[in-house]
Amino acid sequence: DQQVKQNSPSLSVQEGRISILNCDYTNSMFDYFLWYKKYPAEGPTFLISISSIKDKNEDGRFTVFLNKSAKHLSLHIVPSQPGDSAVYFCAAISYDKVIFGPGTSLSVIP
Amino acid sequence: DVKVTQSSRYLVKRTGEKVFLECVQDMDHENMFWYRQDPGLGLRLIYFSYDVKMKEKGDIPEGYSVSREKKERFSLILESASTNQTSMYLCASSLRPETKEKLFFGSGTQLSVL
Repeated sequence: DQQVKQNSPSLSVQEGRISILNCDYTNSMFDYFLWYKKYPAEGPTFLISISSIKDKNEDGRFTVFLNKSAKHLSLHIVPSQPGDSAVYFCAAISYDKVIFGPGTSLSVIP
Repeated sequence: DVKVTQSSRYLVKRTGEKVFLECVQDMDHENMFWYRQDPGLGLRLIYFSYDVKMKEKGDIPEGYSVSREKKERFSLILESASTNQTSMYLCASSLRPETKEKLFFGSGTQLSVL
């Protein structure tokens, strides 16, 4: 049973519009959440994170929102650019484990 | 920049062969990890190490072993490769145990077991 879920395997967005990638988790002990981005033929790279004591963290075009009561987080990319086309992994940390979701493939169409 | 280097980009092996996947990091990180990535399953942790000669099982250690004789090098060993071990293998490192969230990944090794 997956503890971190990304229910949309893929997403297509027009350039300049907002991309919203969603992630749900089941374990209330998770206290830190991250997003990683992966291009083909490369390893994942860290994108943005959020602690469970916050509900929002922003870094340039990327914002992560956390709703603890719903056990849900989302990554917003505004405005979306073609270079953002990649697979995005949501990950959660509890104590000594990092649990990754299955990933969402984002395509930004020029 | 941190560099995590995996020795092979693609490997093709036969069932029953012993397979070594090598990983080297150049930033004196204490922690090293081996993941495998499969479609629809995300990244699953196989083994990790917080120090030289130390190893801990991850979520899916069966069929694998690891070796960490030097701080910068972490090897994943498939004692007898099977077809269900066909996967993308990713090595990662992080600076200290408390910075496990900042994982730096290698480019991956795509292993095919025939």
